[in-house]
Amino acid sequence: GENVEQHPSTLSVQEGDSAVIKCTYSDSASNYFPWYKQELGKRPQLIIDIRSNVGEKKDQRIAVTLNKTAKHFSLHITETQPEDSAVYFCAAKKAAGNKLTFGGGTRVLVKP
Amino acid sequence: GAVVSQHPSWVICKSGTSVKIECRSLDFQATTMFWYRQFPKQSLMLMATSNEGSKATYEQGVEKDKFLINHASLTLSTLTVTSAHPEDSSFYICSARGGLAVNEQFFGPGTRLTVL
Repeated sequence: GENVEQHPSTLSVQEGDSAVIKCTYSDSASNYFPWYKQELGKRPQLIIDIRSNVGEKKDQRIAVTLNKTAKHFSLHITETQPEDSAVYFCAAKKAAGNKLTFGGGTRVLVKP
Repeated sequence: GAVVSQHPSWVICKSGTSVKIECRSLDFQATTMFWYRQFPKQSLMLMATSNEGSKATYEQGVEKDKFLINHASLTLSTLTVTSAHPEDSSFYICSARGGLAVNEQFFGPGTRLTVL
């Protein structure tokens, strides 16, 4: 089955700096890659997603890049703010499949 | 739109009792619902996938007789933890997919189960 690896597991950045989280996936049939932000004790919230027919997608301070050949995708957060502090999860899903496979998560701390 | 609710938000029970958690899609018809378990500081682990009107598909290692899932309507799925034990204490989160969303899953707020 699909396996998603996520790095780093923790990330501490200074407010205003950029944060980058990287994920790799194993199944070349995966074609949908969402990113979720989860605050402590809360539900995961979709912040951005990308499909395999696109190499990059941007939404204000958040961007995601996808390299299908290398089977990896990354989340980029620019101009980080304290409210960006949370756990971020990447995930992958196959076209013909039902389920999302999640990465292990990255705990991001933005220091004021 | 695309709101998913879960009830209860937290529950404390004695070892050996059964606990039912409800997951509802409030403004769309959820053809598929997913149940996840999340231990502290860990990722979401899929327990099972359920399609309305059919039996749930359980992930490897998840006991279907212990975690009973019912998806009787397009807006409601329930997870019953039978004969709960302290090791079942966890954060249980459901998600739902349906309507116009082909890929996206909408998550419920989660239920924190503590078994004494």
